[in-house]
Amino acid sequence: DIQMTQSPSSLSASIGDRVTITCRASQGIASKFAWYQQKPGKAPKRLLYEASILDSGVPSRFSGSGSGTEFTLTISSLQPEDFATYSCLQYNSYPRTFGQGTRVGIK
Amino acid sequence: EVQLVESGGALVQPGGSLRLSCAASGFSFSNYWMDWVRQAPGKGLEWVANIKFDGSEKYYVDSVRGRFTISRDNAKNSVYLQMNSLRAEDTAKYYCSRQLAEWGQGTLVTVSS
Repeated sequence: DIQMTQSPSSLSASIGDRVTITCRASQGIASKFAWYQQKPGKAPKRLLYEASILDSGVPSRFSGSGSGTEFTLTISSLQPEDFATYSCLQYNSYPRTFGQGTRVGIK
Repeated sequence: EVQLVESGGALVQPGGSLRLSCAASGFSFSNYWMDWVRQAPGKGLEWVANIKFDGSEKYYVDSVRGRFTISRDNAKNSVYLQMNSLRAEDTAKYYCSRQLAEWGQGTLVTVSS
């Protein structure tokens, strides 16, 4: 199975900060990779797929990059509604595997 | 608008069985793979299984293979997860998803005596 390792596991940031979350795959997954945002008690919401393609309706302050084994989610200017848990997913092979999540909290 | 509505979650004893359902609407159901993903309380997401648009291919995570069965009825725009030999570690909220893009709100399964 492909292991997805996210870092950091949590972070504290202020409104307006630039935030970067990294996800590393234990083996190459090309660009078959997605990022999700989840708020407490809610279903995950996909933000990006194919590593860097923004889902419809997702603000442009979210961006993704990477391919192969290392991927990055960047929030260019953190907004109040962005405080949430972010998880990565590889869908290059079975079983699909998620990272453990990164909780973004208020500093 | 894509809508996915899960049902069937309940409290069940270890060793018991449960069948989850997911009713889909707002898209051409028979053209899409469908997934089940679960999340144990306070934990991360775990992909469980998926099924091809015509039901001809199914994939499972190792921890449920042989105990869970995914199926679909394209005439009813529904996907199912039959869960047998349930264990405490199967306790989670179970989400139905269209190709891991759109998600339902989930249904809670609790395995406890």
